[in-house]
Amino acid sequence: EAGVAQSPRYKIIEKRQSVAFWCNPISGHATLYWYQQILGQGPKLLIQFQNNGVVDDSQLPKDRFSAERLKGVDSTLKIQPAKLEDSAVYLCASSYRGLAGTTDTQYFGPGTRLTVL
Amino acid sequence: AQSVTQLDSQVPVFEEAPVELRCNYSSSVSVYLFWYVQYPNQGLQLLLKYLSGSTLVKGINGFEAEFNKSQTSFHLRKPSVHISDTAEYFCAVSRRLNTGNQFYFGTGTSLTVIP
Repeated sequence: EAGVAQSPRYKIIEKRQSVAFWCNPISGHATLYWYQQILGQGPKLLIQFQNNGVVDDSQLPKDRFSAERLKGVDSTLKIQPAKLEDSAVYLCASSYRGLAGTTDTQYFGPGTRLTVL
Repeated sequence: AQSVTQLDSQVPVFEEAPVELRCNYSSSVSVYLFWYVQYPNQGLQLLLKYLSGSTLVKGINGFEAEFNKSQTSFHLRKPSVHISDTAEYFCAVSRRLNTGNQFYFGTGTSLTVIP
């Protein structure tokens, strides 16, 4: 079974530029998550999709971050314009929505390391 | 609200010694508990999880964790560590909503195994 795919693996941009990250979840996984992991910290959830609908985006800085999952499969996270403090690893994860009373294990991609200069 | 506290940011331990990484959580509702490991420049990999049933959970690579509801803890243990266990370890909790699960991660514990 293929894992969660992310690209690019590394990206260096200057502040005020735009950047986009791509994620392809495990086949059949309805739930997709984007996390931001700043150096020395745990992952912080940015946005969670259930199929192509947003479940939780309460911690997404909506003035500069956007994400979409139009067909309920792969997803794109965009930052426009980037700030220095956006330097982080952006992790994508997916899970299969289980039956009531169960929970979902998240499977993570390798991440995209963003450096904003 | 949920929160996850990993009490130790760095844990050095000699090879073949036992180790315990501590995790405490706060929640007003039932939660599910996870430990993830992150090797350098890699994504997070699930070590083990507690959903229900036996409070002692065994995971991969010889790790285990015990769920203690009264102390709201989920400490990770391994009786004998190897050099290859050097990595960052994250405790996470999730609660199930009608629309899916909400996940919260701790700040991580850096485990360094000393030869």
